[in-house]
Amino acid sequence: RKEVEQDPGPFNVPEGATVAFNCTYSNSASQSFFWYRQDCRKEPKLLMSVYSSGNEDGRFTAQLNRASQYISLLIRDSKLSDSATYLCVVNKNNQGGKLIFGQGTELSVKP
Amino acid sequence: DTAVSQTPKYLVTQMGNDKSIKCEQNLGHDTMYWYKQDSKKFLKIMFSYNNKELIINETVPNRFSPKSPDKAHLNLHINSLELGDSAVYFCASSQGTGVGYTFGSGTRLTVV
Repeated sequence: RKEVEQDPGPFNVPEGATVAFNCTYSNSASQSFFWYRQDCRKEPKLLMSVYSSGNEDGRFTAQLNRASQYISLLIRDSKLSDSATYLCVVNKNNQGGKLIFGQGTELSVKP
Repeated sequence: DTAVSQTPKYLVTQMGNDKSIKCEQNLGHDTMYWYKQDSKKFLKIMFSYNNKELIINETVPNRFSPKSPDKAHLNLHINSLELGDSAVYFCASSQGTGVGYTFGSGTRLTVV
């Protein structure tokens, strides 16, 4: 089983749609959680950290359920510029800051 | 000012050659990493250095040798390149653990 698993993509949605990505992680010792965004042929960029209480940044909402080892990202009012691959990432702090990446979910927002 | 810079951006080379990729960060971070992203887009850690000391060494062929002359630099030297080494190599840095990374723009290595 992969350490971090994400919804298979691609997700094709119209502008203005709400889209949700799900992710599960296998190691209960994981302590930090993130969503990264990667545009085609570019480097991954930190989108947001994910906290137990849930957190929001504009149109983006991230949730963490430690009991279920589940992380989610909700994007409201999708824009064309949201088209990218979204990577679910966990960190086991006792391993020198090593980030474990999911395989990514591709989002394509159409006009 | 680029925070994490890698050179070269593209590298095309023949099997059996030796090549190096350089990475520098100007963020004052204490930890630097090398990740490999293969054709299936999976990002996997190769090495991590904290203040010039190796702290993570994943199962990577010993043809790959990282070198950190100071905490702002982490270079990657690859001997006897093979076709399977073709990938995008990303350098990254962070301040401490439990935090997100800043990535360089990647080096696209093609071995022919």
